Amino acid sequence: DAGITQSPRHKVTETGTPVTLRCHQTENHRYMYWYRQDPGHGLRLIHYSYGVKDTDKGEVSDGYSVSRSKTEDFLLTLESATSSQTSVYFCATGTAYNEQFFGPGTRLTVL
Amino acid sequence: DQQVKQNSPSLSVQEGRISILNCDYTNSMFDYFLWYKKYPAEGPTFLISISSIKDKNEDGRFTVFLNKSAKHLSLHIVPSQPGDSAVYFCAAPDPTGTASKLTFGTGTRLQVTL
Repeated sequence: DAGITQSPRHKVTETGTPVTLRCHQTENHRYMYWYRQDPGHGLRLIHYSYGVKDTDKGEVSDGYSVSRSKTEDFLLTLESATSSQTSVYFCATGTAYNEQFFGPGTRLTVL
Repeated sequence: DQQVKQNSPSLSVQEGRISILNCDYTNSMFDYFLWYKKYPAEGPTFLISISSIKDKNEDGRFTVFLNKSAKHLSLHIVPSQPGDSAVYFCAAPDPTGTASKLTFGTGTRLQVTL
């Protein structure tokens, strides 16, 4: 267990509102990731970080931004939520050895 | 472009029988593969992995087979138990090693019936 927490665990919001999801880790892992899980698509990488203040885009980054000001925290922001961003969001951490450790997920509903 | 594919969205197996979950990939540069298991309302957890220098890796009831020429791997669960009911994802690391990124398949939902 990599000691990863996500907050909130559930959120319902309205189209056009900003939303920030938080991921916190206690294992001092260098890499952090945000994924979304949708039926028929599996886990798709949104953004990832390879160190404090070092982030890059994944395959489905449009409409999302991230920030990592401390090793332990990785924030995912939806600047203006849309219904297509209704999903389950997972944070993960990783080391140099390919295995990733996942948080419990955040279920986001955009009405 | 889906580089890792799991063509069976779901699978139902009787308790005690063998479960076989399949995964195909298109990128010949992939040299390591992982299987993750996911229960509802939880995050995925690592299950088993295999390096391309092997064609088989076994861990208890779980065995992963790799056929490099066919770009195919499979996860065998023997014997299947009700607690194995979950979604299974195969994954492959970015061949460039960038930030230990993984590419996941779409997942197969396994239901083990009594």
